[in-house]
Amino acid sequence: EPEVTQTPSHQVTQMGQEVILRCVPISNHLYFYWYRQILGQKVEFLVSFYNNEISEKSEIFDDQFSVERPDGSNFTLKIRSTKLEDSAMYFCASTRPRSLTYGYTFGSGTRLTVV
Amino acid sequence: SQQGEEDPQALSIQEGENATMNCSYKTSINNLQWYRQNSGRGLVHLILIRSNEREKHSGRLRVTLDTSKKSSSLLITASRAADTASYFCATESNTDKLIFGTGTRLQVFP
Repeated sequence: EPEVTQTPSHQVTQMGQEVILRCVPISNHLYFYWYRQILGQKVEFLVSFYNNEISEKSEIFDDQFSVERPDGSNFTLKIRSTKLEDSAMYFCASTRPRSLTYGYTFGSGTRLTVV
Repeated sequence: SQQGEEDPQALSIQEGENATMNCSYKTSINNLQWYRQNSGRGLVHLILIRSNEREKHSGRLRVTLDTSKKSSSLLITASRAADTASYFCATESNTDKLIFGTGTRLQVFP
């Protein structure tokens, strides 16, 4: 069964450093997403991406965050200057158009620890 | 305000028993989905129910949707220890995103 692949599985970074989280969505999916989950809390929407541009973003997704689909397969989330409160599990997801039938496929996540 | 709130927050049952989790939401939706998350792992899609559907089955899972009450329930029948996980409802409206509920932690004891 096709999977969404995320790398790395765990990243430790110093406060103020830039991090790039990588994702390879399912190849025939058209919508891509980043979500995050702070330990023990709910899953929060960050950003959706369609047709090579952001289609929606949350209040969390401020100027420190950016997303890119640099080629036909990768989808990245960049945090320019990490803060302690950015420590969380980050999930990438993809879906076919409007997911009327299929639901979203999530990757296994990247655990980001900011120290 | 939260789009999805679930109850109970935690549920402990014995193997073989049924587990019922409830989800309430606030806005109109296109569909409602249920996901499972094992501790520290990714989210796995379980089942999707459209706004014009009232009930859906998949294996040991049964989902109901009441759009007049803005609520849904997930029933897992004949639970197994391997069903131990957190379960989240998530709603999709006319926007490009899923909004997740707060989740129910299910513990099934052998």
